Amino acid sequence: QTVVTQEPSLTVSPGGTVTLTCASSTGAVTSGNFPGWFQKRPGQAPRSLIYSTSNKYSWTPARFSGSLLGGSAALTLSGVQPEDEAEYYCLLYYGLPRVFGGGTKLAVL
Amino acid sequence: EVQLVESGGDLVKPGGSLRVSCVASGFTFNNAWMSWVRQAPGKGLEWVGRIKRKNDGGTTDYAAPVKGRFTISRDDSKNTVYLQMNSLKTEDTAVYYCTLGAGTTDFDYWGQGTLVIVSS
Repeated sequence: QTVVTQEPSLTVSPGGTVTLTCASSTGAVTSGNFPGWFQKRPGQAPRSLIYSTSNKYSWTPARFSGSLLGGSAALTLSGVQPEDEAEYYCLLYYGLPRVFGGGTKLAVL
Repeated sequence: EVQLVESGGDLVKPGGSLRVSCVASGFTFNNAWMSWVRQAPGKGLEWVGRIKRKNDGGTTDYAAPVKGRFTISRDDSKNTVYLQMNSLKTEDTAVYYCTLGAGTTDFDYWGQGTLVIVSS
């Protein structure tokens, strides 16, 4: 089964920019893996942010953007807000089973 | 507005059974593919399984750790998806989330989750 790897933790200052990445054990991530990104705050339900690499939902703040970067999927937060402190999960589609990354804990300090 | 409300989480002994439910509103339920995702304490998100809409065959798929023990079903007349869990193990302890795929992905919308604890 494919293993999807994310940074365990990252720290960013308020107003700063940070990029989270999502790598695959099978090789370069492509748009055909339809990368998705989810935000999970403690005690809250996960929330979908990005689908199919770079597409946003109506509720996704403009400061979030998705892309492919150096063989990985990437989620960039520009102008980070305190409420962005959360865990972020990526998902890559390799048919079944659906495989989530291990998550990146983002601290805003 | 799409809303998903899970219920039925409980404390159950190893080897026991439990059924959790998820009621959807704000979307034409019979057009949705429904999935279950769980998060064990201190762990990440784990896909449990899914059920397609009836127009796509209504078939189910499961993750290896739950295959043969868990069953997903749906009642479109009640806008409800179920997760029947049998032969529960301590490692099944988790918050179980249902998700609704509205045509873009399997995971467009998420419920707030229901906690299942498997312990003696």
